[in-house]
Parts: sequence; C-alpha cells; structure tokens
Amino acid sequence: AQSVTQLDSHVSVSEGTPVLLRCNYSSSYSPSLFWYVQHPNKGLQLLLKYTSAATLVKGINGFEAEFKKSETSFHLTKPSAHMSDAAEYFCVVSDRFSGYSTLTFGKGTMLLVSP
Amino acid sequence: EPEVTQTPSHQVTQMGQEVILRCVPISNHLYFYWYRQILGQKVEFLVSFYNNEISEKSEIFDDQFSVERPDGSNFTLKIRSTKLEDSAMYFCASSGDYEQYFGPGTRLTVT
Repeated sequence: AQSVTQLDSHVSVSEGTPVLLRCNYSSSYSPSLFWYVQHPNKGLQLLLKYTSAATLVKGINGFEAEFKKSETSFHLTKPSAHMSDAAEYFCVVSDRFSGYSTLTFGKGTMLLVSP
Repeated sequence: EPEVTQTPSHQVTQMGQEVILRCVPISNHLYFYWYRQILGQKVEFLVSFYNNEISEKSEIFDDQFSVERPDGSNFTLKIRSTKLEDSAMYFCASSGDYEQYFGPGTRLTVT
C-alpha cells in the first residue's frame, strides 16, 4: 500500500520569496514520486518526477524537489515565487516505473502568492 | 503539444439519470484512466483501461460505472444511475512510456 501526506493545506508567500511545499510518502516498494500543479479551471500538469535516478529533481518553471529516503520526504521548492505560481499542488506516489501505473494523490496544497 | 481533452466541462444531472463523460486521450497512448475528486477531498483513482479491457479498478468503481473505448479515439465513463455522492470533478488521463497526462476535468453536479 502507498500513501502521501501533504503537511500543509495552504501556504502563503510573497512574490520573490522562497516556496516550500512539504510532502511525505509511504510505499512498500521503491516509489516513483511526482508533483502535479492545477491552475484554476485547468487540468493537472506534471511539474517534475523522481524515478530512482538523481535524488534532486529539476522541473518546469524553476521548481525542484529532493527525494530523501531516510526521511520519506519529497518536498517541492522554488527560490523565488511568481504571481503565476499561485495554484494547487499535488504530491503523488506510484509503486511502478512502467508506462502503466495507478497514482495515489495527496490532498493538495494551495499556494497563495501576494504582491 | 498534444493534450487530453474532456467534454463537457460541466454537467448537471438529476439523481437517477445516466451520464456519459467523454475523453479524447493523446493519440499514441496505450493506457487510459479515470480519476475523481470530490470537493475538498483527494484525487482518487477509479479505473484503468488497456487493450480494450479494464486493467484495474478501485472499490469506488462499482456496477454503476462502466468504461468504453467505442471508436479508437474516445474513452468514456458512464454512470448508470447517478447519486448525489457522485458529484465530483472527473479527470481522464492517458499514458505512453511513463507519465500520465491529465485532461482539464468534467465537473459533474447531481441534484
């Protein structure tokens, strides 16, 4: 069984300040981990993925995440927030590396960015 | 860039009615999925589909639900007799080599 816990339902930052969205996972196997973003009235867009290669993963729009097995964490960071980053972010785990997998989602973290 | 599309964007229906939610996956993908998100809750896996049959389904996906790929491009989710608790955002996804690509969702409101 696998699960994901996103520790914050809402995170508020000012434009230009760092972003940290926290995620802890539980998996019986070596997991694949993802962050997806959802802007209002849009689909879920893949930000980045970890698939057992480098533990520091770089994604789109300046986001990155670090896989820490000892802490079972996969926190999402960005050095400097933009207004356009305001959206809901989902941490997701899968126990498979193949093209077919079922994804387990966290509850999501709403990122609010103020000017 | 190819994308997954879903229609309609919003569907309102009365309890007990049948609804069909439609999805057009990315054309060279082989695996298809439906997920749902009840307001304020997690995105939950419903069903996966490969080679014209269900690969896996969750306990949510009971006899009221069915999926079909009627014509080689569309992928549909049918709910036979809707209940109030079926109100949710329904996401379609497809995958090829690895990651899943999601559509924008259909918001289903059952009154």
